[in-house]
Amino acid sequence: TQLLEQSPQFLSIQEGENLTVYCNSSSVFSSLQWYRQEPGEGPVLLVTVVTGGEVKKLKRLTFQFGDARKDSSLHITAAQPGDTGLYLCALNRDNYGQNFVFGPGTRLSVLP
Amino acid sequence: DAGVTQSPTHLIKTRGQQVTLRCSPISGHKSVSWYQQVLGQGPQFIFQYYEKEERGRGNFPDRFSARQFPNYSSELNVNALLLGDSALYLCASSLARGPNTEAFFGQGTRLTVV
Repeated sequence: TQLLEQSPQFLSIQEGENLTVYCNSSSVFSSLQWYRQEPGEGPVLLVTVVTGGEVKKLKRLTFQFGDARKDSSLHITAAQPGDTGLYLCALNRDNYGQNFVFGPGTRLSVLP
Repeated sequence: DAGVTQSPTHLIKTRGQQVTLRCSPISGHKSVSWYQQVLGQGPQFIFQYYEKEERGRGNFPDRFSARQFPNYSSELNVNALLLGDSALYLCASSLARGPNTEAFFGQGTRLTVV
């Protein structure tokens, strides 16, 4: 059973464009993490969102946690080629902080 | 400080063989987890170890086993390799201080089974 769904699966845009990717679940989760993974590398944590309705900004990236804590979005403003990668959302299934369920990811390609 | 290190970085094995993958966590991290990432998918949880004890196991066959050593490094073993075991195997370490704890991933071991 896929606990997390992500959309779109693939996205190819020109440098300077804006984009939004989504992470959804049928279940409520206490917190959600967003990771970016570049080719040949492991995922790197971008942000953790905890509170329903929470908005966090990381330079040109804006993360939002849905009010009902069942969905999240990542918005990138003025995308750059360096934003290219696989964007993964993940939730923790236990209280110890190491049993993650990952979504299938959105593969973003930003063309110069 | 060194990040999570995994070895080897690439590996080619034949069906039926056995493989051992190694992971050294960030200094001070007592929790190590292993994930399998098949091409085009997100990582799938295999095992978590904390203080040398197994704390979690994903939906993987008994051909997969792991252990953690007193220095908190870890090994993942896979027996009787199948073509479908070809994947990127990721190790993550953390302080394991709650559900919002950040996990730090190594760059992975790319296993190809032929």
